[in-house]
Amino acid sequence: EAGVAQSPRYKIIEKRQSVAFWCNPISGHATLYWYQQILGQGPKLLIQFQNNGVVDDSQLPKDRFSAERLKGVDSTLKIQPAKLEDSAVYLCASSFQGGGTEAFFGQGTRLTVV
Amino acid sequence: AQKVTQAQTEISVVEKEDVTLDCVYETRDTTYYLFWYKQPPSGELVFLIRRNSFDEQNEISGRYSWNFQKSTSSFNFTITASQVVDSAVYFCASSGGGADGLTFGKGTHLIIQP
Repeated sequence: EAGVAQSPRYKIIEKRQSVAFWCNPISGHATLYWYQQILGQGPKLLIQFQNNGVVDDSQLPKDRFSAERLKGVDSTLKIQPAKLEDSAVYLCASSFQGGGTEAFFGQGTRLTVV
Repeated sequence: AQKVTQAQTEISVVEKEDVTLDCVYETRDTTYYLFWYKQPPSGELVFLIRRNSFDEQNEISGRYSWNFQKSTSSFNFTITASQVVDSAVYFCASSGGGADGLTFGKGTHLIIQP
């Protein structure tokens, strides 16, 4: 069974530029998550989708971050404009359903904002 | 809301020693779930175990064992006869019984020296 796919693996941009990350979850998984992991910290949930609807985006900085999950499968996370403090690893995860089921993670996208 | 505390930032032991990673959680939910994930240097989070709040049975899987104690709000992880390949950052996480995503602790960096 294929795992969670993310691209790109690495991205370097200048501050105030925009960037987008892509995620393809495990087939059949209804729930998709985007997490931000700053160096030396645990992952922090940015947004959670159930199929193509948003379940929780309370920690998403909506003035600069946006995410969508069209057709309830793939998802993209966008940052515009990027700030230095956005440098982090962005992890996508999926689970069969939310509410306590285990989530499976992709390899992440390491973003460096200079 | 969930909160997870991993007080041990870094642990270093010599190969074949036993090591215990501590995890303390806080929740107001009656139903909740606890998890452990491993993050090797490659960066991908690997699921290890999931426990629900109604199941306090300890679990053993090979050299890994988990001790869940509701009385102390702890979910500790023990590696017996540690190996160099166990070197990684280990995260404890929790979620509520609804559609919650995972709340992670800050992680414990485990170093197994040959």
